[in-house]
Amino acid sequence: SQTIHQWPATLVQPVGSPLSLECTVEGTSNPNLYWYRQAAGRGLQLLFYSIGIDQISSEVPQNLSASRPQDRQFILSSKKLLLSDSGFYLCAWVPPGLEAFFGQGTRLTVV
Amino acid sequence: DAKTTQPNSMESNEEEPVHLPCNHSTISGTDYIHWYRQLPSQGPEYVIHGLTSNVNNRMASLAIAEDRKSSTLILHRATLRDAAVYYCILSPYGNKLVFGAGTILRVKS
Repeated sequence: SQTIHQWPATLVQPVGSPLSLECTVEGTSNPNLYWYRQAAGRGLQLLFYSIGIDQISSEVPQNLSASRPQDRQFILSSKKLLLSDSGFYLCAWVPPGLEAFFGQGTRLTVV
Repeated sequence: DAKTTQPNSMESNEEEPVHLPCNHSTISGTDYIHWYRQLPSQGPEYVIHGLTSNVNNRMASLAIAEDRKSSTLILHRATLRDAAVYYCILSPYGNKLVFGAGTILRVKS
């Protein structure tokens, strides 16, 4: 069956520390993968999307980056976290023309 | 990205139908109309999507205007668990899914 995994669920990190959030998909190949962020009380902001292993598009300039080391793995990273990076991070897999599947989300608090 | 316009908020009584409107006058022929909802402190949940014809599923119905410039999500009998932010999104086939502000639906008992 097709599933999407995202971890960790919760993270508290100091300002200036690095970040690595991982997302993996099972049961499909060459998935379209997305990273979203939702700040407290705000809407979902598209950060990155990838339609292939060598194709990652950035939607918002920031201190975050995304990589796709394997076909079904999507990683969100930062070298130095800012307070403004706090939020709810969601990975999504969107099969073309079909419904999107979301991971469980990571609640990141930068202190 | 083709844009959608939704009311900021709507209110409904429990057990009554709810019609959530969405305007998308710049929709292109390849844009699918998606609806998602987000409950507090949770990720988005798929509700329904369609291209040209009206669609029904166990959660809701989607009525698409003939010119496709607007659509309406219909919840046939609202419950307290339907209180959420509802997002209407246009997404070309195989292309990115961009969320707008959505409509906050409040359901009164």
